[in-house]
Amino acid sequence: DIQMTQSPSSLSASVGDRVTITCRASQGIRNDLCWYQQKPGKAPKRLIYDASSLQSGVPSRFSGSGSGTEFTLTISSLQPEDFATYYCLQHNTYWTFGQGTKVEIK
Amino acid sequence: EVQLVESGGGLVQPGGSLRLSCAASGFTFSSYEMNWVRQAPGKGLEWVSYISSSSSTIYYADSVKGRFTISRDNAKNSLYLQMNTLRVEDTAVYYCALLRFDYWGQGTLLTVSS
Repeated sequence: DIQMTQSPSSLSASVGDRVTITCRASQGIRNDLCWYQQKPGKAPKRLIYDASSLQSGVPSRFSGSGSGTEFTLTISSLQPEDFATYYCLQHNTYWTFGQGTKVEIK
Repeated sequence: EVQLVESGGGLVQPGGSLRLSCAASGFTFSSYEMNWVRQAPGKGLEWVSYISSSSSTIYYADSVKGRFTISRDNAKNSLYLQMNTLRVEDTAVYYCALLRFDYWGQGTLLTVSS
């Protein structure tokens, strides 16, 4: 099975900060990776698909990069509504979520 | 408007059984694959099971294989998850999802406890 190692597990940041979250796959998954944002009590919301394609309606401050085994989600300028938990999901072989990154207010 | 509405959650004793349902509307349910994803309280997301549009292909996470059965009724626009031999660690909010289009239900809570 493919394992997804997401880091960090949590981070504290201020509004306006640049934030980077990383996911590493245990084997190559091409670009079969999505990024999700989840707020408490809500279903996840996809931000990025195919590793770097921005989901319709998602602000352009969100971007994704990577291919193979290393992937990154970047928030260029953190906004108040971005404080949430973020997950990567690989769908190359079955489906595996990363452990999540909680982005908290500094 | 796309809607996925889960139901059937509740409190079950360890070793018990329960069936979750997911009613779909707003899209051609019979054309698309579906998934169940769960989230234990305060924990991360875990993929549980997949079923293709025609039910010809089915996959399970190792954690539920042999205990859970996914099925669908395209005539009723419904997805199901039959859960047997439930364990305390199966306690979670269960979401049905069409991951290809990022359609998710609101989730239904299963609590396994004595």
